[in-house]
Amino acid sequence: DAKTTQPPSMDCAEGRAANLPCNHSTISGNEYVYWYRQIHSQGPQYIIHGLKNNETNEMASLIITEDRKSSTLILPHATLRDTAVYYCIVRVPDNDMRFGAGTRLTVKP
Amino acid sequence: KAGVTQTPRYLIKTRGQQVTLSCSPISGHRSVSWYQQTPGQGLQFLFEYFSETQRNKGNFPGRFSGRQFSNSRSEMNVSTLELGDSALYLCASSLRDPRTDTQYFGPGTRLTVL
Repeated sequence: DAKTTQPPSMDCAEGRAANLPCNHSTISGNEYVYWYRQIHSQGPQYIIHGLKNNETNEMASLIITEDRKSSTLILPHATLRDTAVYYCIVRVPDNDMRFGAGTRLTVKP
Repeated sequence: KAGVTQTPRYLIKTRGQQVTLSCSPISGHRSVSWYQQTPGQGLQFLFEYFSETQRNKGNFPGRFSGRQFSNSRSEMNVSTLELGDSALYLCASSLRDPRTDTQYFGPGTRLTVL
């Protein structure tokens, strides 16, 4: 079973920041937080991952709380093409990935 | 660098038949994982192959099997198809870096069982 909890759906206005939360209160010290998204029946797309420090790349930022029990994925300027299901996954890199239900983000004009 | 490719993209079979799906990983990636996605169960891990050996296996019946070739290409086979096997089958490849191990997914094969 997935070890994360995400809201089932969220809306965001185009051009605004989308902040997607994820709770992972049972995360272990060697588990990373990964984020993927899936746009309508395409293969999931890797976004970002981190262990305990905040991370940023060209797609998004990942903010992990100090106790590592939760994290937030930030899409700084959401566009309509960011409409997708976003998955938060915690795993030890050498293990398989277990997907939960994710958050369905709808970006509205 | 080319991404993960899967063939065929769409497939229609009838109950009782068997099917073989193919996955070509990103060049240099030696790990290939397979997933099944259905509306009811979501994305579920099937198995992973690394250096031609199955490393991890999910909770699926023995009708689901796979293999990996020396060039890292992988196939999965489903025998005695059931209606419930209708799904999007995804494969993902990775370098199996012990520190980060990012998996990259292919577009999937849409299997319909009639």
